[in-house]
Amino acid sequence: DTGVSQDPRHKITKRGQNVTFRCDPISEHNRLYWYRQTLGQGPEFLTYFQNEAQLEKSRLLSDRFSAERPKGSFSTLEIQRTEQGDSAMYLCASSFGGSRAGELFFGEGSRLTVL
Amino acid sequence: KNEVEQSPQNLTAQEGEFITINCSYSVGISALHWLQQHPGGGIVSLFMLSSGKKKHGRLIATINIQEKHSSLHITASHPRDSAVYICALHTGTASKLTFGTGTRLQVTL
Repeated sequence: DTGVSQDPRHKITKRGQNVTFRCDPISEHNRLYWYRQTLGQGPEFLTYFQNEAQLEKSRLLSDRFSAERPKGSFSTLEIQRTEQGDSAMYLCASSFGGSRAGELFFGEGSRLTVL
Repeated sequence: KNEVEQSPQNLTAQEGEFITINCSYSVGISALHWLQQHPGGGIVSLFMLSSGKKKHGRLIATINIQEKHSSLHITASHPRDSAVYICALHTGTASKLTFGTGTRLQVTL
């Protein structure tokens, strides 16, 4: 397994367009997290899945944001009607859950620029 | 007051110097992570600590649960250590991490 992968790595879009990011976690991991990071700041939690269930969502995740993990493997994060304030790095991470919970493995991130 | 604070925010060192980055927090935790982020954005987990001390190569991480404080030390620093080092807290349900804003380290020749 090559680790957590994210696609695309970079996305430039015009305000008002929809964008979708994909995350493929480490295959044995049942937990998957999405974080957002703006310049000069630490990552902020967006949402978290245990298998296919979305167990927690941050209030940062407005109605324009939706995340899915339909088969408990890869996940998608969609942003509808993008705004300039959505410009950020979107990071995905995965880990074991339950009694094996612990170290997080991060992807390289998907950088979004909204013009 | 932020739940987790790091110091210093920026650090410049010469190759070979011993480096210490500090992390203080104000909440109960189940574990603390030290992470490394390079300019491209990818984050690598260096340590996960719940007590005591861990060592990996030139990196040493310590935590004092009573004082709510952790330190990351780099011995014999090298330019390739230049990165942002982030302290992150695992709290309560362990469903998410709370991140510090990071310490930007630049190691020069």
